[in-house]
Amino acid sequence: EPEVTQTPSHQVTQMGQEVILRCVPISNHLYFYWYRQILGQKVEFLVSFYNNEISEKSEIFDDQFSVERPDGSNFTLKIRSTKLEDSAMYFCASSGNRGSANEKLFFGSGTQLSVL
Amino acid sequence: AQKVTQAQTEISVVEKEDVTLDCVYETRDTTYYLFWYKQPPSGELVFLIRRNSFDEQNEISGRYSWNFQKSTSSFNFTITASQVVDSAVYFCAGFGRGAGSYQLTFGKGTKLSVIP
Repeated sequence: EPEVTQTPSHQVTQMGQEVILRCVPISNHLYFYWYRQILGQKVEFLVSFYNNEISEKSEIFDDQFSVERPDGSNFTLKIRSTKLEDSAMYFCASSGNRGSANEKLFFGSGTQLSVL
Repeated sequence: AQKVTQAQTEISVVEKEDVTLDCVYETRDTTYYLFWYKQPPSGELVFLIRRNSFDEQNEISGRYSWNFQKSTSSFNFTITASQVVDSAVYFCAGFGRGAGSYQLTFGKGTKLSVIP
């Protein structure tokens, strides 16, 4: 079965540093998402991306965050200047080979970000 | 706004017992989708089921069954004859219009421990 791939699985960084989390969505999908899960808490929506632009974003997704689909296959989440509270598991997801936003979301295995 | 409530934070059962995980989804949308995801200790999110708001038929898949009742906004998940491998955190999620945007909203999760 096709899957969403995320790299790296773990990322450790110093506070104030920039990090880029990478995702390869399922190849014929059109909608892409980032979610995060702070340890022991629920999964929270960050942003959705369609047709090379952000379609929705949450309050969490402030100016420190950005997303990009640089080459038609990768989908990246950049955190410009990390804060301690950015430590979380970040999940990438994709959906909608028919362009329907309410199709099943396929999640990657996540990137555990630890900000020291 | 939409809200997903999983009132049970943790449940422990002995292997082979049946267990039901509760979920209540509140929304003003008339059309929405409900999901259950499993998060095993390894951390990934595994899709279990999607149900749309027009379909109140119960669904059974092996040892798993789901009961959706629109009148009470409940979408409960039952595992029959539980096994140790069922130990995980289970998230209920709803897809609908959140704070002005369509997004998948997760509940806080129910941690299920199946004791051998």
